[in-house]
Amino acid sequence: EDKVVQSPLSLVVHEGDTVTLNCSYEVTNFRSLLWYKQEKKAPTFLFMLTSSGIEKKSGRLSSILDKKELFSILNITATQTGDSAIYLCAVGKAGGTSYGKLTFGQGTILTVHP
Amino acid sequence: DVKVTQSSRYLVKRTGEKVFLECVQDMDHENMFWYRQDPGLGLRLIYFSYDVKMKEKGDIPEGYSVSREKKERFSLILESASTNQTSMYLCASRTSTDTQYFGPGTRLTVL
Repeated sequence: EDKVVQSPLSLVVHEGDTVTLNCSYEVTNFRSLLWYKQEKKAPTFLFMLTSSGIEKKSGRLSSILDKKELFSILNITATQTGDSAIYLCAVGKAGGTSYGKLTFGQGTILTVHP
Repeated sequence: DVKVTQSSRYLVKRTGEKVFLECVQDMDHENMFWYRQDPGLGLRLIYFSYDVKMKEKGDIPEGYSVSREKKERFSLILESASTNQTSMYLCASRTSTDTQYFGPGTRLTVL
């Protein structure tokens, strides 16, 4: 059975801190790993990673994938209160019958205090 | 920009009622998905569709059905709503890569 596990489940930090969110996976026919941010509404897309060791970066957020050890990390530097959200990790599989389905982790709830 | 819309943001229904949740996307995507989201359980796939009139069960299809009569529209139907179907329902539409774009969600309460 495919599995995506995120840690920690929740995290409380102060503005200016740097945080690292983890996502490990066990899936057959891995194709991609995606990160989403969810505030009080729908998840919004952050990154899609398909290759090991290549960092994706957007402002203060960055992410990297390790396909050998089967995990990804999402880093947020100089956190702000607007970074408070649920961060979701999801894995996509290759194969004709996958139809682009994603398997999601439980999410990490990040709270940033002023 | 991809736009995915859902018919209601909040809905309150009574046990036993038939409930329709509608999702519309404007990007001509073939694949569309319905999830429910519950605290501590993440997003769980209910049903998905890979083309008009084509549908597949996800991980938790019991108590739900779907309809896809037009490419842009994917409906989730609760035939007889029960209290354990109180949840946040999210629709998504997939690009040619694995990226899914989500609608704003419908928070359904079944009394």
